[in-house]
Amino acid sequence: DSGVTQTPKHLITATGQRVTLRCSPRSGDLSVYWYQQSLDQGLQFLIQYYNGEERAKGNILERFSAQQFPDLHSELNLSSLELGDSALYFCASSSLLGLGDTQYFGPGTRLTVL
Amino acid sequence: KNEVEQSPQNLTAQEGEFITINCSYSVGISALHWLQQHPGGGIVSLFMLSSGKKKHGRLIATINIQEKHSSLHITASHPRDSAVYICAVRGYGGATNKLIFGTGTLLAVQP
Repeated sequence: DSGVTQTPKHLITATGQRVTLRCSPRSGDLSVYWYQQSLDQGLQFLIQYYNGEERAKGNILERFSAQQFPDLHSELNLSSLELGDSALYFCASSSLLGLGDTQYFGPGTRLTVL
Repeated sequence: KNEVEQSPQNLTAQEGEFITINCSYSVGISALHWLQQHPGGGIVSLFMLSSGKKKHGRLIATINIQEKHSSLHITASHPRDSAVYICAVRGYGGATNKLIFGTGTLLAVQP
């Protein structure tokens, strides 16, 4: 158990809909990272937050947004969903700011868009 | 061509064998990560390297910055090592905060 929790574990929805994925980092970790893993694209870095502020952006679509709240939990919002958004979404946390430190991964949320 | 290449893509070994997985990258990096993803999907960070060599149990990771190459070695392999091993690099400059992932190496260790 990494100490990172993600909810829900599974999510099935329809095209055009909007969903919110939630992540609670390990106790004391200030950095939260979001990743997408799809069959055709592999694992991709989406975005990083540190202590409530956005710090790094990867291949995140404009239809996607994220935030980190004062209690350090983070939410990833996916809107106008398309079939290609079906993927595993992982959240990870670390204690430090840089991407060079050890990251602890959550179990992931499997999103299926029908 | 991908910025991070792993080889082999698939690897089958017998229990007890010494295993090597390779990662080559084409960008300047400040750090390299090795991750393990089990069949159930969970991801574990194994190593973060910026130079030299690190060892944890039966796992050893090395990096050669000049050659832009890293290797992950597993000694005395065991069926529980069966997983996908993923290499990821963190770049410099404009790509400083972006992690770039390899496509992974699927390892199956047979008893």
